[in-house]
Amino acid sequence: GAVVSQHPSWVICKSGTSVKIECRSLDFQATTMFWYRQFPKQSLMLMATSNEGSKATYEQGVEKDKFLINHASLTLSTLTVTSAHPEDSSFYICSAPRGWEGAFFGQGTRLTVV
Amino acid sequence: GDSVTQMEGPVTLSEEAFLTINCTYTATGYPSLFWYVQYPGEGLQLLLKATKADDKGSNKGFEATYRKETTSFHLEKGSVQVSDSAVYFCALSDRDSGYALNFGKGTSLLVTP
Repeated sequence: GAVVSQHPSWVICKSGTSVKIECRSLDFQATTMFWYRQFPKQSLMLMATSNEGSKATYEQGVEKDKFLINHASLTLSTLTVTSAHPEDSSFYICSAPRGWEGAFFGQGTRLTVV
Repeated sequence: GDSVTQMEGPVTLSEEAFLTINCTYTATGYPSLFWYVQYPGEGLQLLLKATKADDKGSNKGFEATYRKETTSFHLEKGSVQVSDSAVYFCALSDRDSGYALNFGKGTSLLVTP
């Protein structure tokens, strides 16, 4: 079946540096990707919608300058956490929608900022 | 806007006990409903889904029925196993949200031998 591959699965970075997370659709084209964030023992919150060839749409309260989203091709969307700080430590998950059928999820990326 | 409410956990059950995790939703349209499971340290896996009223989703012994009249999608399993220990998320999606999933807060289940 269709697969969404997310990389890296975990990353530790120093405060002030930037981290890029990649999300690839392996055998299908995804014009839209969703990026979610999950704090420990909490639910997934939609951060932004990534649209191929256009600007991403951010949810209220999400800083677009901190969380840069690029969807340069139909198979790749990236999320870059810029100038990361410890409060950005979280689990980030991408997904490609399947209409009424739900979504294909990436494996998730656990970011720890030290 | 759309929202999903599911029972708070954690839920602790003995092996072979009956499981119910309640989930209710509010939506302006006609959403699809899902249950996702997240095992420790892993991403989300689709457990089951229902796309219209009265549909029953089922998988691995779990079941949930889309009840439009009560706006509910309760998850049930007749006999849980230790391996079912995980966090369960109820979610919905619809066209109005561009099919982005709207998740409940999650219910942690611990099954003891």
